[in-house]
Amino acid sequence: DVVMTQSPDSLAVSLGERATINCKSSQSVLYSSNNKNYLAWYQQKPGQPPKLLIHWASTRESGVPDRFSGSGSGTDFTLTISSLQAEDVALYYCQQYYTTPQTFGQGTKLEVK
Amino acid sequence: QLQLQESGPRLVKPSETLSLTCTVSGGSSSSSDSWCAWIRQPPGKGPEWIGSMSSRGNTYYNPSLKSRVTLLLDMSRDQFSLRLNSMTAADTAVYYCARHQGPYSSALDSWGQGTLVTVSS
Repeated sequence: DVVMTQSPDSLAVSLGERATINCKSSQSVLYSSNNKNYLAWYQQKPGQPPKLLIHWASTRESGVPDRFSGSGSGTDFTLTISSLQAEDVALYYCQQYYTTPQTFGQGTKLEVK
Repeated sequence: QLQLQESGPRLVKPSETLSLTCTVSGGSSSSSDSWCAWIRQPPGKGPEWIGSMSSRGNTYYNPSLKSRVTLLLDMSRDQFSLRLNSMTAADTAVYYCARHQGPYSSALDSWGQGTLVTVSS
């Protein structure tokens, strides 16, 4: 299985400041034939299902605020929130869909400092 | 807008079989070989992918669960189902159905609200 490891496990950031969450895969999720990274980011608030924020590592889902951005390639990826808003407090997960089984990271809890 | 809704028992006894159904509305699970998935999330843990199924009946399963899982499709009712046998306490989780954006190797862009299944005698 491809193991997805997120860091940190939890993060406290002041409102208006930048938040950065990292995700590392145990093998590359870059498909050389189409040069796409099979990596997604989700946001999950209490009592709700995960919500897709970013796919193909850096493509923002429709309706997602542009303060959310994804970057990275191969095995190392980053989700950045450029200016933290109160409504961004949540758990964040990365997921690889490059190979079976599709796997998720353990999650990063984002809080307001 | 596509909506997915899980239904089934909330309480299952150890060794029994869990049967859950996902009803898709506002679209069609049978259109152009769409793919749907089951994911579960134990309390306080990250999501775990269980398996995915296409509208043409193709399936992928998580090898860790493959011996116990069956995915079924009822195209006439826009429903797809999960059966997980030999349930144990370790299978206690919120079970979600979700839709892949495109083919199997794509992100999950629509999710049901999930249903908490507890395994207990």
